[in-house]
Amino acid sequence: AQSVAQPEDQVNVAEGNPLTVKCTYSVSGNPYLFWYVQYPNRGLQFLLKYITGDNLVKGSYGFEAEFNKSQTSFHLKKPSALVSDSALYFCAVRDMSSWGSASKIIFGSGTRLSIRP
Amino acid sequence: GAVVSQHPSWVICKSGTSVKIECRSLDFQATTMFWYRQFPKQSLMLMATSNEGSKATYEQGVEKDKFLINHASLTLSTLTVTSAHPEDSSFYICSAREVGTGEGEKLFFGSGTQLSVL
Repeated sequence: AQSVAQPEDQVNVAEGNPLTVKCTYSVSGNPYLFWYVQYPNRGLQFLLKYITGDNLVKGSYGFEAEFNKSQTSFHLKKPSALVSDSALYFCAVRDMSSWGSASKIIFGSGTRLSIRP
Repeated sequence: GAVVSQHPSWVICKSGTSVKIECRSLDFQATTMFWYRQFPKQSLMLMATSNEGSKATYEQGVEKDKFLINHASLTLSTLTVTSAHPEDSSFYICSAREVGTGEGEKLFFGSGTQLSVL
Protein backbone atom coordinates (compact mmCIF):
# COMPACT_ATOMS: atom_id res chain seq x y z
CA ALA A 1 0.00 0.00 0.00
CA GLN A 2 1.16 3.52 -0.71
CA SER A 3 1.92 5.89 2.13
CA VAL A 4 3.78 9.04 2.99
CA ALA A 5 5.32 10.00 6.29
CA GLN A 6 5.99 13.44 7.66
CA PRO A 7 8.27 12.94 10.66
CA GLU A 8 7.91 16.46 12.04
CA ASP A 9 4.68 17.75 13.58
CA GLN A 10 6.07 21.28 13.70
CA VAL A 11 8.88 23.19 12.05
CA ASN A 12 9.95 26.60 13.32
CA VAL A 13 12.04 28.91 11.16
CA ALA A 14 13.07 32.54 11.36
CA GLU A 15 11.92 34.77 8.54
CA GLY A 16 14.51 35.00 5.80
CA ASN A 17 16.07 31.65 6.62
CA PRO A 18 15.74 28.60 4.39
CA LEU A 19 13.11 26.06 5.34
CA THR A 20 12.69 22.35 4.79
CA VAL A 21 9.63 20.25 5.49
CA LYS A 22 10.38 16.57 5.32
CA CYS A 23 8.46 13.80 3.61
CA THR A 24 9.29 10.19 2.87
CA TYR A 25 7.22 7.85 0.80
CA SER A 26 6.53 4.18 0.41
CA VAL A 27 5.27 3.21 -3.02
CA SER A 28 5.52 0.19 -5.22
CA GLY A 29 6.60 1.45 -8.59
CA ASN A 30 7.08 5.04 -9.64
CA PRO A 31 5.43 7.50 -7.28
CA TYR A 32 3.20 10.44 -8.04
CA LEU A 33 3.96 12.89 -5.24
CA PHE A 34 2.34 16.14 -4.21
CA TRP A 35 2.57 18.93 -1.68
CA TYR A 36 -0.47 20.84 -0.46
CA VAL A 37 -0.79 23.77 1.94
CA GLN A 38 -3.69 24.50 4.27
CA TYR A 39 -4.19 27.97 5.68
CA PRO A 40 -6.46 28.44 8.72
CA ASN A 41 -10.14 27.94 7.92
CA ARG A 42 -9.39 27.31 4.28
CA GLY A 43 -9.23 24.31 2.02
CA LEU A 44 -6.05 22.71 0.82
CA GLN A 45 -4.20 24.34 -2.03
CA PHE A 46 -1.96 22.55 -4.49
CA LEU A 47 1.69 23.59 -4.32
CA LEU A 48 3.57 21.25 -6.61
CA LYS A 49 3.84 17.73 -7.94
CA TYR A 50 6.38 15.20 -9.09
CA ILE A 51 5.46 12.58 -11.66
CA THR A 52 8.52 12.22 -13.81
CA GLY A 53 11.40 14.27 -15.13
CA ASP A 54 13.65 16.62 -13.18
CA ASN A 55 14.12 15.69 -9.56
CA LEU A 56 13.83 19.32 -8.50
CA VAL A 57 10.28 20.52 -8.89
CA LYS A 58 9.29 24.15 -8.61
CA GLY A 59 5.87 25.18 -7.40
CA SER A 60 3.72 28.01 -6.14
CA TYR A 61 4.82 30.77 -3.74
CA GLY A 62 8.52 30.09 -4.31
CA PHE A 63 8.42 26.55 -2.97
CA GLU A 64 10.30 23.67 -4.49
CA ALA A 65 10.71 20.01 -3.68
CA GLU A 66 13.43 17.52 -4.40
CA PHE A 67 12.61 13.96 -5.36
CA ASN A 68 15.24 11.53 -4.10
CA LYS A 69 14.62 7.99 -5.18
CA SER A 70 17.45 6.41 -3.22
CA GLN A 71 16.24 7.99 0.01
CA THR A 72 12.54 7.73 -0.94
CA SER A 73 12.13 11.34 0.05
CA PHE A 74 10.31 14.37 -1.32
CA HIS A 75 11.25 17.24 0.96
CA LEU A 76 9.66 20.64 0.52
CA LYS A 77 12.02 23.60 0.50
CA LYS A 78 12.12 27.34 0.21
CA PRO A 79 15.32 29.43 0.16
CA SER A 80 13.94 32.32 2.21
CA ALA A 81 10.92 31.90 4.48
CA LEU A 82 8.17 34.48 4.86
CA VAL A 83 5.87 34.93 7.84
CA SER A 84 2.98 34.38 5.43
CA ASP A 85 4.30 30.86 4.76
CA SER A 86 3.05 29.83 8.20
CA ALA A 87 0.49 27.12 7.58
CA LEU A 88 -0.11 23.38 7.64
CA TYR A 89 1.67 21.45 4.91
CA PHE A 90 0.69 18.04 3.62
CA CYS A 91 2.74 15.65 1.57
CA ALA A 92 0.65 13.29 -0.52
CA VAL A 93 0.95 10.37 -2.89
CA ARG A 94 -1.37 9.05 -5.49
CA ASP A 95 -2.95 5.72 -4.69
CA MET A 96 -1.78 3.65 -7.63
CA SER A 97 -4.58 1.14 -7.19
CA SER A 98 -7.03 3.80 -8.38
CA TRP A 99 -6.96 5.65 -11.67
CA GLY A 100 -8.54 8.29 -13.85
CA SER A 101 -11.00 10.69 -12.29
CA ALA A 102 -11.41 8.35 -9.32
CA SER A 103 -7.74 8.25 -8.46
CA LYS A 104 -7.25 8.85 -4.77
CA ILE A 105 -4.70 10.96 -3.01
CA ILE A 106 -3.25 9.68 0.25
CA PHE A 107 -2.11 12.38 2.63
CA GLY A 108 0.60 12.47 5.23
CA SER A 109 -0.08 13.59 8.78
CA GLY A 110 0.84 17.18 8.08
CA THR A 111 3.55 19.49 9.35
CA ARG A 112 2.79 22.84 10.90
CA LEU A 113 5.25 25.43 9.67
CA SER A 114 5.71 28.48 11.85
CA ILE A 115 7.78 31.39 10.61
CA ARG A 116 8.77 33.94 13.25
CA PRO A 117 9.49 37.54 12.29
CA GLY B 1 -7.89 28.56 -9.77
CA ALA B 2 -11.19 26.77 -9.61
CA VAL B 3 -13.40 27.28 -6.59
CA VAL B 4 -15.10 24.68 -4.46
CA SER B 5 -17.70 26.05 -2.10
CA GLN B 6 -18.48 24.07 1.03
CA HIS B 7 -21.39 24.98 3.24
CA PRO B 8 -21.88 25.42 6.13
CA SER B 9 -18.44 26.30 7.43
CA TRP B 10 -19.44 25.27 10.91
CA VAL B 11 -22.46 23.68 12.51
CA ILE B 12 -23.49 22.73 16.02
CA CYS B 13 -26.23 20.17 16.46
CA LYS B 14 -27.83 18.04 19.12
CA SER B 15 -27.06 14.38 19.41
CA GLY B 16 -29.44 12.29 17.32
CA THR B 17 -30.11 14.90 14.66
CA SER B 18 -28.90 14.82 11.06
CA VAL B 19 -26.66 17.36 9.41
CA LYS B 20 -26.20 17.99 5.69
CA ILE B 21 -23.02 19.44 4.24
CA GLU B 22 -22.92 20.72 0.68
CA CYS B 23 -19.98 20.80 -1.68
CA ARG B 24 -20.29 22.76 -4.91
CA SER B 25 -17.87 23.26 -7.76
CA LEU B 26 -18.54 26.84 -8.80
CA ASP B 27 -16.84 27.23 -12.16
CA PHE B 28 -16.14 23.72 -13.35
CA GLN B 29 -17.80 20.36 -13.60
CA ALA B 30 -16.72 17.59 -11.30
CA THR B 31 -17.34 13.98 -12.17
CA THR B 32 -15.80 12.91 -8.92
CA MET B 33 -15.84 14.45 -5.49
CA PHE B 34 -14.13 13.19 -2.37
CA TRP B 35 -15.12 13.53 1.25
CA TYR B 36 -12.48 13.64 3.96
CA ARG B 37 -12.49 13.81 7.71
CA GLN B 38 -9.74 15.60 9.56
CA PHE B 39 -9.07 15.22 13.27
CA PRO B 40 -7.02 17.80 15.16
CA LYS B 41 -3.33 17.50 14.37
CA GLN B 42 -4.02 14.57 12.09
CA SER B 43 -4.15 13.99 8.40
CA LEU B 44 -7.11 13.96 6.09
CA MET B 45 -8.74 10.57 6.10
CA LEU B 46 -10.62 9.72 2.93
CA MET B 47 -14.17 8.70 3.76
CA ALA B 48 -15.70 8.14 0.36
CA THR B 49 -15.51 8.84 -3.32
CA SER B 50 -18.62 10.41 -4.74
CA ASN B 51 -19.44 9.81 -8.38
CA GLU B 52 -22.05 11.80 -10.25
CA GLY B 53 -25.09 9.72 -10.99
CA SER B 54 -23.96 6.61 -9.15
CA LYS B 55 -23.46 5.30 -5.67
CA ALA B 56 -20.58 6.53 -3.61
CA THR B 57 -17.63 4.28 -2.88
CA TYR B 58 -16.85 4.16 0.82
CA GLU B 59 -13.49 3.48 2.40
CA GLN B 60 -13.11 0.56 4.73
CA GLY B 61 -14.50 1.28 8.15
CA VAL B 62 -16.80 4.10 7.06
CA GLU B 63 -20.47 3.42 7.70
CA LYS B 64 -22.41 4.15 4.53
CA ASP B 65 -25.70 4.35 6.40
CA LYS B 66 -24.19 6.84 8.78
CA PHE B 67 -22.60 9.08 6.20
CA LEU B 68 -24.98 9.41 3.27
CA ILE B 69 -23.51 10.83 0.11
CA ASN B 70 -25.46 12.13 -2.84
CA HIS B 71 -23.84 13.40 -6.02
CA ALA B 72 -26.88 14.52 -7.95
CA SER B 73 -25.17 16.75 -10.48
CA LEU B 74 -21.76 17.55 -11.88
CA THR B 75 -21.48 20.51 -9.54
CA LEU B 76 -23.00 19.31 -6.27
CA SER B 77 -22.31 16.59 -3.77
CA THR B 78 -23.81 16.38 -0.30
CA LEU B 79 -22.74 14.54 2.81
CA THR B 80 -25.41 13.87 5.41
CA VAL B 81 -24.32 12.77 8.85
CA THR B 82 -27.32 10.86 10.13
CA SER B 83 -28.19 10.54 13.80
CA ALA B 84 -25.08 12.42 14.73
CA HIS B 85 -23.27 11.63 17.96
CA PRO B 86 -20.45 13.46 19.76
CA GLU B 87 -17.88 11.10 18.25
CA ASP B 88 -18.89 12.39 14.82
CA SER B 89 -17.60 15.82 15.75
CA SER B 90 -14.81 16.60 13.34
CA PHE B 91 -13.68 18.78 10.47
CA TYR B 92 -15.09 17.53 7.18
CA ILE B 93 -13.54 18.56 3.87
CA CYS B 94 -14.70 17.94 0.35
CA SER B 95 -12.68 18.06 -2.82
CA ALA B 96 -13.69 18.03 -6.43
CA ARG B 97 -11.84 16.83 -9.47
CA GLU B 98 -12.40 18.58 -12.75
CA VAL B 99 -13.92 16.43 -15.47
CA GLY B 100 -11.33 14.71 -17.62
CA THR B 101 -8.42 15.07 -15.24
CA GLY B 102 -6.80 12.55 -12.98
CA GLU B 103 -3.88 14.25 -11.31
CA GLY B 104 -3.54 15.99 -8.04
CA GLU B 105 -3.28 19.52 -9.29
CA LYS B 106 -6.78 19.42 -10.67
CA LEU B 107 -8.15 18.45 -7.30
CA PHE B 108 -9.74 21.47 -5.61
CA PHE B 109 -10.72 21.60 -1.97
CA GLY B 110 -13.55 23.21 -0.08
CA SER B 111 -12.79 25.26 3.01
CA GLY B 112 -14.18 22.59 5.31
CA THR B 113 -17.03 22.21 7.77
CA GLN B 114 -16.47 22.02 11.51
CA LEU B 115 -19.18 19.81 13.00
CA SER B 116 -19.76 19.85 16.72
CA VAL B 117 -22.31 17.43 18.13
CA LEU B 118 -23.53 18.18 21.63
